[in-house]
Amino acid sequence: SAVISQKPSRDICQRGTSLTIQCQVDSQVTMMFWYRQQPGQSLTLIATANQGSEATYESGFVIDKFPISRPNLTFSTLTVSNMSPEDSSIYLCSVDRGGPETQYFGPGTRLLVL
Amino acid sequence: GENVEQHPSTLSVQEGDSAVIKCTYSDSASNYFPWYKQELGKRPQLIIDIRSNVGEKKDQRIAVTLNKTAKHFSLHITETQPEDSAVYFCAASGNNDMRFGAGTRLTVKP
Repeated sequence: SAVISQKPSRDICQRGTSLTIQCQVDSQVTMMFWYRQQPGQSLTLIATANQGSEATYESGFVIDKFPISRPNLTFSTLTVSNMSPEDSSIYLCSVDRGGPETQYFGPGTRLLVL
Repeated sequence: GENVEQHPSTLSVQEGDSAVIKCTYSDSASNYFPWYKQELGKRPQLIIDIRSNVGEKKDQRIAVTLNKTAKHFSLHITETQPEDSAVYFCAASGNNDMRFGAGTRLTVKP
């Protein structure tokens, strides 16, 4: 498995502001993924981030709202832009390691928007 | 796209009993089926996975079965213990397009 860290672990933000979440991996990985998990719900894929190319967004998620950077093979950021209370959620990054398609999750960032 | 359904949404068993969680998927191209355990306030942890070329896989008290024809797979936990209490998610993936089930909250009563 991979050692994955996220910053911040939690934050409380005001409506209309933006928050950038960082995901750091202890080794190089090809693919990094960003998920959202709303309270008591399942995991929903926001986008897939490959180094050197634009992120691929899932239906219902757009780059203007959730810009993603992937500057190298060990790091990615997700920005939640122009936040509203509906963005309150846990945001998790994951990476593919240990075999095709196997994903391991970071500890998550718990976001509360007031 | 892929659609994964998971049942039951909640499951309560007595310590020592077995627990079974079932999932179905829609995309016949899916070829990787992991199971994650998520304890309260923690990240999802991969506990077992199976690929489409295998019908069953076992790891101590946990086993997973896959029926590709019927497009369903199941998680079996034997001799359950209170520390097995958590939310369990199944997932189906093909070409790194992973979709999760809605989750099953398992409670093991001592």
